[in-house]
Amino acid sequence: EIVLTQSPDFQSVTPKEKVTITCRASQSIGSSLHWYQQKPDQSPKLLIKYASQSISGVPSRFSGSGSGTDFTLTINSLEAEDAATYYCHQSSRYGGTFGQGTKVEIK
Amino acid sequence: EVQLVESGGGLVQPGGSLRLSCAASGFTFSSYWMSWVRQAPGKGLEWVANIKQDGSEKYYVDSVKGRFTISRDNAKNSLYLQMNSLRAEDTAVYYCARVVAATLLDYWGQGTLVTVSS
Repeated sequence: EIVLTQSPDFQSVTPKEKVTITCRASQSIGSSLHWYQQKPDQSPKLLIKYASQSISGVPSRFSGSGSGTDFTLTINSLEAEDAATYYCHQSSRYGGTFGQGTKVEIK
Repeated sequence: EVQLVESGGGLVQPGGSLRLSCAASGFTFSSYWMSWVRQAPGKGLEWVANIKQDGSEKYYVDSVKGRFTISRDNAKNSLYLQMNSLRAEDTAVYYCARVVAATLLDYWGQGTLVTVSS
């Protein structure tokens, strides 16, 4: 099983600040790493696919990078509506795993 | 518009059974792999099961193998999860999700809560 480890677990950030969340895989997964945003009492929403590909309708302040085992989600100029938990995810048809999540709080 | 609507959750005693359903609309259901993902209260996301377009391949997380069965009815645009021998640790919100290229969960339902307790 591929283990995904996110850091940090929690981040308290002021609006307009830049946020960086990392996700490390226990073995190389190429670019098959996706990022999701989950707000309280909502289902997860796809933010970034295949490490760095943008999703239609997602604000451009969200971006992703990385390949192999190390990946990064960046939120440029954080807005109040970005308060949420962010998860990285990898899977194949045989199954998948998620990172433990990073909670972003607005100061 | 892609829509996934789960139903069937509720309170069940340990050892009991429950069948979850997911009604799909807004896309050609029979063309996609589908998944179930769960989230225990206050915890992170856990993939549960995958099923191929025609139902010929099914995969499960180890903790539910032999107890849960994923299935689908393409004529009814519906996905199911039969859960037997339920345990307290199965308590979670269960989401169905559409799978793209066998790897990407691009649309999720709103979830249905399963509580296993006596």
